[in-house]
Amino acid sequence: NAGVTQTPKFRVLKTGQSMTLLCAQDMNHEYMYWYRQDPGMGLRLIHYSVGEGTTAKGEVPDGYNVSRLKKQNFLLGLESAAPSQTSVYFCASSSLGQGYGSPLHFGNGTRLTVT
Amino acid sequence: AQSVTQLGSHVSVSEGALVLLRCNYSSSVPPYLFWYVQYPNQGLQLLLKYTSAATLVKGINGFEAEFKKSETSFHLTKPSAHMSDAAEYFCAVSVPGNQFYFGTGTSLTVIP
Repeated sequence: NAGVTQTPKFRVLKTGQSMTLLCAQDMNHEYMYWYRQDPGMGLRLIHYSVGEGTTAKGEVPDGYNVSRLKKQNFLLGLESAAPSQTSVYFCASSSLGQGYGSPLHFGNGTRLTVT
Repeated sequence: AQSVTQLGSHVSVSEGALVLLRCNYSSSVPPYLFWYVQYPNQGLQLLLKYTSAATLVKGINGFEAEFKKSETSFHLTKPSAHMSDAAEYFCAVSVPGNQFYFGTGTSLTVIP
């Protein structure tokens, strides 16, 4: 019962490099989210998706792009990494089943360092 | 507008003592409220949720929370702290569209 799986777990990038973070969920959830977690700031929403083929901006979308070509996958891309993007990134998913009372299910995170 | 405020970024309690973590929310619609726990180097796990059924909600690991509309609060409690409760705790509110707003977290230390 995998739930939400994020790859990779760790990554170090140099400024200007690009990378893609992969999130996969096996719960058939409609909603998927990307958050970043920084000390003292809680979780901030980067982008989210309400279904296959849809994406929307969250609170801190600049410098990131996302795609959801398949319902179970949600990709987060950094085209030109900056030190300010050093953070822990979490993917989450939720279902439509309980309306907006459906809880989020989280992956274990990706720790990204940009030097 | 929706927001969540967690009072106290760090809370220390002795093992066996009462745990009280505070959460106040602001919501323009009837809120659904959640508490999540995060252990080191892990993702967030759901502790409990309030979805308008009962104001006192029981969760996992002996935690419970009470929804008080008049105080716009959803404080998390546990009668007796255990060493394994040491973690970061997040309060969150969700609104239509499955949008979630998180507090900045409270780090709980349990002193033996």
